[in-house]
Amino acid sequence: DVKVTQSSRYLVKRTGEKVFLECVQDMDHENMFWYRQDPGLGLRLIYFSYDVKMKEKGDIPEGYSVSREKKERFSLILESASTNQTSMYLCASSISGISYEQYFGPGTRLTVT
Amino acid sequence: KNQVEQSPQSLIILEGKNCTLQCNYTVSPFSNLRWYKQDTGRGPVSLTIMTFSENTKSNGRYTATLDADTKQSSLHITASQLSDSASYICVVTIGGLTGGGNKLTFGTGTQLKVEL
Repeated sequence: DVKVTQSSRYLVKRTGEKVFLECVQDMDHENMFWYRQDPGLGLRLIYFSYDVKMKEKGDIPEGYSVSREKKERFSLILESASTNQTSMYLCASSISGISYEQYFGPGTRLTVT
Repeated sequence: KNQVEQSPQSLIILEGKNCTLQCNYTVSPFSNLRWYKQDTGRGPVSLTIMTFSENTKSNGRYTATLDADTKQSSLHITASQLSDSASYICVVTIGGLTGGGNKLTFGTGTQLKVEL
């Protein structure tokens, strides 16, 4: 079974703090994704990576950066957390190719106060 | 604009009853359509996938249909169980593109609650 794990299930941070969210997958997938999920808005893509050290912006990259130094690990960084970044963050991975299923991690519920 | 709309937004049914969730999309070009189930506090899990040429796909008590002409899909749940309580998300993959990345358009989901 594909396993995608995220470093924290719940996280509370203060405004202005730098926040790191980590995602690890164990299936040697080329593609990795970071989404945020908000009520009534569905999942929105923040960044994705299709190879080590490669990254591309998704639909809502402002206020976020990412890092992929190893194939299995994809990190999402909030340089200076703000209250409007309070959300559920979901990581996903997939085999290269548009028809392949994305496997999701359990999510991190981030609250910025 | 590529969009996926789902209805109803929420639904409450009694255990053992059937229900049908709807998904309309305007994504073009179309590659495939998936239904995901997302339990509270968990990540989404794929239930079914259908390509352009498929008009029905079953996974246990879940049956998805696709009408590519009208750009509509439905997810039918038979003999509902308490464990079916979850959000059901319709996701359409955009076709004709190469490489990785954002080829998915997500619906906002239908929140289903199954009660005794």
